[in-house]
This record gives sequence, C-alpha cells and structure tokens, in this order.
Amino acid sequence: EPEVTQTPSHQVTQMGQEVILRCVPISNHLYFYWYRQILGQKVEFLVSFYNNEISEKSEIFDDQFSVERPDGSNFTLKIRSTKLEDSAMYFCASSEPLYSNQPQHFGDGTRLSIL
Amino acid sequence: AQKITQTQPGMFVQEKEAVTLDCTYDTSDPSYGLFWYKQPSSGEMIFLIYQGSYDQQNATEGRYSLNFQKARKSANLVISASQLGDSAMYFCAMRETGANSKLTFGKGITLSVRP
Repeated sequence: EPEVTQTPSHQVTQMGQEVILRCVPISNHLYFYWYRQILGQKVEFLVSFYNNEISEKSEIFDDQFSVERPDGSNFTLKIRSTKLEDSAMYFCASSEPLYSNQPQHFGDGTRLSIL
Repeated sequence: AQKITQTQPGMFVQEKEAVTLDCTYDTSDPSYGLFWYKQPSSGEMIFLIYQGSYDQQNATEGRYSLNFQKARKSANLVISASQLGDSAMYFCAMRETGANSKLTFGKGITLSVRP
C-alpha cells in the first residue's frame, strides 16, 4: 500500500539554526499538509498546500516557516531560525483530490529536538 | 470553543472485550467529516475510520465502528474484541467544508488493553 514517507525520522538542531524536514506524499495525491505535535499534546495544523501554493495556514505558521514542493515528488517544511519551542513531532500528510471524505494519510513523523 | 472534545481520562479494557471512546464536536457547517486516528507509542498516525455528516449509516471498518449521533454531535469509536495491540492513543478529528481543509484534532484518549 502506498505511504507517505518522511525524512529524517529524528533531527537534532542547535537553536537558531535552519532545518528542513522532507516528505514524499503518496504519488497521486494533490493536497499536502504539515501538522505538529508537541510531546504529550494534541496534533495541531500548520499549513495546507495545493496547486503549488499555500491554501491555508495557522497562527503557528509564522514568517520563520515556509513550505515548498521543489520537484514532482518532495514536499518540504523549512524552519528558518529554530527556537526551543519548535521541538515537536512534525507530521506530513497528503490526501486525494475531489472528495472531502478522503482521509489524510500521515507519514511516520520527524521528531525535531532543538538544543 | 473547542471544536473536538475528548474528555475521558486514560481508558482500560480487558483483552477481548469491547470499548467505547467518546468524541463530541462542534460545528455550524452542515457538511463535515469525522475521522479517528490511532497513534501507538512508536508515534505514527494511523487512519482508522471515517464518518460523513450526511451518511445515513454508522461507519464500520473491521473491529472498528463509529456510533454517530448527529443531533448530539457525538462520534464515538467502538472497538470490539480488544487486542493487546490496540493499546495506543486515539484521536478524533473533524474536517469541515472543502476537500483540502485541515483536520482539527481532539486532545486524544489513551487506551490500555489488559491481558
């Protein structure tokens, strides 16, 4: 069964450094998302992406965050200058087009630790 | 106001018995979808079951069923014949109008299955 893949599984970065989290969505999916989950808390929406542009973003997704689909397969989340509070699990998700009943399929996540 | 409410503390169930995990939601949108995801201790998010607001029948998927009571705005997950591998965190989520709209998650319920 096709799946969303995320790399790396764990990223440790010094505060203030830039980090790029990578995702390969399911190949026929057209809608892409990033969520984050701070340890022990609920999953929070960051951004959705369709047709090479951001569809919606949350208050969390401020100027230090950006997303990109640099080629036909990858979908990346960049955090420009990381802060301690960016430590979290980051999930990429994708879904099929057309029908709102289609589930979002999640990757296994990247655990980001900011030191 | 919270859109998805999961208020149960950690739940315990005996292996082979059934368990109900509660979820209530709040929306003024007539068209919405409700999803349940499982998050084992390894961290990945696994889609379990979907219920659409216009669906006449309660959703079922193997041992999972959804007790959808639209007037009460509740969408409880029922797991029959619990297995040890069902021990995990369970999240209820809602998606409102729009095929690409975000998922809003509840804070989750921890389920522990006892042998």
